[in-house]
Amino acid sequence: QVQLVQSGAEVKKPGASVKVSCKASGYTFSDYFMHWVRQAPGQGLEWMGRINPKTGGTYTAQKFQDRVTMTRDTSITTVYMELSSLASDDTAVYYCAKDRAGNYYYYYGMDVWGQGTTVTVSS
Amino acid sequence: ALTQPASVSGSPGQSITISCSGSTNDVGGYNYVSWYQQNPGKAPKLLIHDVTKRPAGVSDRFSGARSGNTASLTISGLQAEDEADYYCSSYTNNDTHVVFGKGTRLTVL
Repeated sequence: QVQLVQSGAEVKKPGASVKVSCKASGYTFSDYFMHWVRQAPGQGLEWMGRINPKTGGTYTAQKFQDRVTMTRDTSITTVYMELSSLASDDTAVYYCAKDRAGNYYYYYGMDVWGQGTTVTVSS
Repeated sequence: ALTQPASVSGSPGQSITISCSGSTNDVGGYNYVSWYQQNPGKAPKLLIHDVTKRPAGVSDRFSGARSGNTASLTISGLQAEDEADYYCSSYTNNDTHVVFGKGTRLTVL
């Protein structure tokens, strides 16, 4: 079955970086964008960006453009999201989510989600 | 962000509708609206994509529609298990690319 398994919870100090992994299985990894979405405690969902696993090309929301790096390792069907210069308001659950349609420009929905990775930023 | 009501409620068996207001830059200008259901402590689940389409396995009690710049999600035959948070999202032609609503808490009375 199609599955996304994310890395475990992290606790970081302000100013540090965090790297979250997301291992995909059960489908052709290269054929579907992978999105990253976060959710602060008690808040709504926020789209951060997406990566094309086939090319490594990325599209990052302007808010995160200077702090987010998305990469992939096709040999182990895993994508990564690194967030730098962490602040307390980066405390959130971070989700990876598979694009429903493929590697197309527009937004077609996210049909499979990882279990989420809790990142806590605290001094 | 897209505008959703903070909360809605209904009794079992009734129908409810959750609205999602945007602009011609997102909801009203493109057929790329999706809806998600999220239970506490769980990842979101895709309910509707491309404004009106249901993925395989999603109950036909869930339906999507749009009028102008406002999309809507209707849940018919309300059940206790429908109690959850619901989020709309859309492609947007600004630098954000994908925008979400702040979510609507559905309470089944």
